[in-house]
Amino acid sequence: GEDVEQSLFLSVREGDSSVINCTYTDSSSTYLYWYKQEPGAGLQLLTYIFSNMDMKQDQRLTVLLNKKDKHLSLRIADTQTGDSAIYFCAEKAGRRALTFGSGTRLQVQP
Amino acid sequence: EAGVTQFPSHSVIEKGQTVTLRCDPISGHDNLYWYRRVMGKEIKFLLHFVKESKQDESGMPNNRFLAERTGGTYSTLKVQPAELEDSGVYFCASSQVVGTDTQYFGPGTRLTVL
Repeated sequence: GEDVEQSLFLSVREGDSSVINCTYTDSSSTYLYWYKQEPGAGLQLLTYIFSNMDMKQDQRLTVLLNKKDKHLSLRIADTQTGDSAIYFCAEKAGRRALTFGSGTRLQVQP
Repeated sequence: EAGVTQFPSHSVIEKGQTVTLRCDPISGHDNLYWYRRVMGKEIKFLLHFVKESKQDESGMPNNRFLAERTGGTYSTLKVQPAELEDSGVYFCASSQVVGTDTQYFGPGTRLTVL
C-alpha cells in the first residue's frame, strides 16, 4: 500500500532556513500537500503541489518535488519561533483520501 | 467563512463506554472525511462521505465504529464500546467535489479511553 515517510524531528535557529523532507511510495500520486499543526490546534493547509510540477514558491515557503525519486521537501526561509509546529506531508492518488506521514516536529531556537 | 468544526474538543471516557464525535464541515462541501492519529503516529484515514453516502469506509478499524451523515450536512462518529486502543485525536476534513479537492481540517477531538 501507500507509504509516506518523514524524519521525526528538526531543530533550527531563528533566522535560518528549515528543510523538511518527505518520501512517498505511490507513483500515481497526483497531489502532494504540506500541513502544519501548532500545539492544541488542528491541521492547517500550508501549500500543495501538483505531481507534474517540480517547484512551487509561496512567500517564505518553497516546495520541491522530485517525482523520479518520490521525494518532496518543504523549505521555510527565515524561520521564526512561530514556525515551531509539527509538519505533515501527505499525498493523494486515485482515491480521494490522503495518506499522511508521521509528522516532523520543527523546533525553532531563539 | 466558517471552517470545519468538531465537538467535543476533548473526551475522557472509561473502557466499555460509548462516545459520539461530531463534525460540521464547511458549508457547501459535499466531501467529508474522518481521520485518526493514534499515539503520535501517522494520521490514518477512516472513511469518506459524499453527501450522505459512504464513498469509502476501508479505513474503519472494526464494527465498534459507526459513522453517519444524515442529510448530508454534519457527521457523527460513534465508538461503542470504546477500547483503550481507540485513544487518539480524531480529525474531520471537508472538501468540494470540484476543483483541486483540497481538504480542510477541523481542530480534532482528543479521545482518551481509560
